[in-house]
Amino acid sequence: AQSVTQLGSHVSVSEGALVLLRCNYSSSVPPYLFWYVQYPNQGLQLLLKYTTGATLVKGINGFEAEFKKSETSFHLTKPSAHMSDAAEYFCAVSSTGATNKLIFGTGTLLAVQP
Amino acid sequence: DAEITQSPRHKITETGRQVTLACHQTWNHNNMFWYRQDLGHGLRLIHYSYGVQDTNKGEVSDGYSVSRSNTEDLPLTLESAASSQTSVYFCASSEAGAHEQYFGPGTRLTVT
Repeated sequence: AQSVTQLGSHVSVSEGALVLLRCNYSSSVPPYLFWYVQYPNQGLQLLLKYTTGATLVKGINGFEAEFKKSETSFHLTKPSAHMSDAAEYFCAVSSTGATNKLIFGTGTLLAVQP
Repeated sequence: DAEITQSPRHKITETGRQVTLACHQTWNHNNMFWYRQDLGHGLRLIHYSYGVQDTNKGEVSDGYSVSRSNTEDLPLTLESAASSQTSVYFCASSEAGAHEQYFGPGTRLTVT
């Protein structure tokens, strides 16, 4: 069975500081990995995805994530936080099989302090 | 532009009533999904469909049903609403064979 663990339900950074949101996954088959962002009172928006190929994935709004198979991790980073980055972030895993289902982590709420 | 919409955006209902939440997508996606979002649980899959007349149970399907009579719509029905079903409900869709899903804006349901 697949699962996702997001370490830290709340993360607070200063504007301009590095953002690091942690995600570890469990999967018995090669995974597809995703990060979604949810702004208040909105649906989820895809930030970036890893399927195959390059392990460093770049997404929208300056975010990127690196797939590390040996560590079963897919941490999300951004070099310099903006106030507009304040949101909830969800990591998700899907199997490379035909089912297309996503398993989500419990989310990390990012606060950006001025 | 193609989109996915949900209605109503907010709903208050009483325990025991039947409630239907609508989801409509104009992406022409084969796959559609319903999730509920609760604090501390992230998003949990309720039901999903891979095409017309196809429906499948997800992780938390008890008390919910769906039907898929066309490509665009996947309504979610709570047969007899319970207070434990107070939540925010999200609909999503994806292309056949694709894994990334596109989400609607959500419906906040309160069962009193």
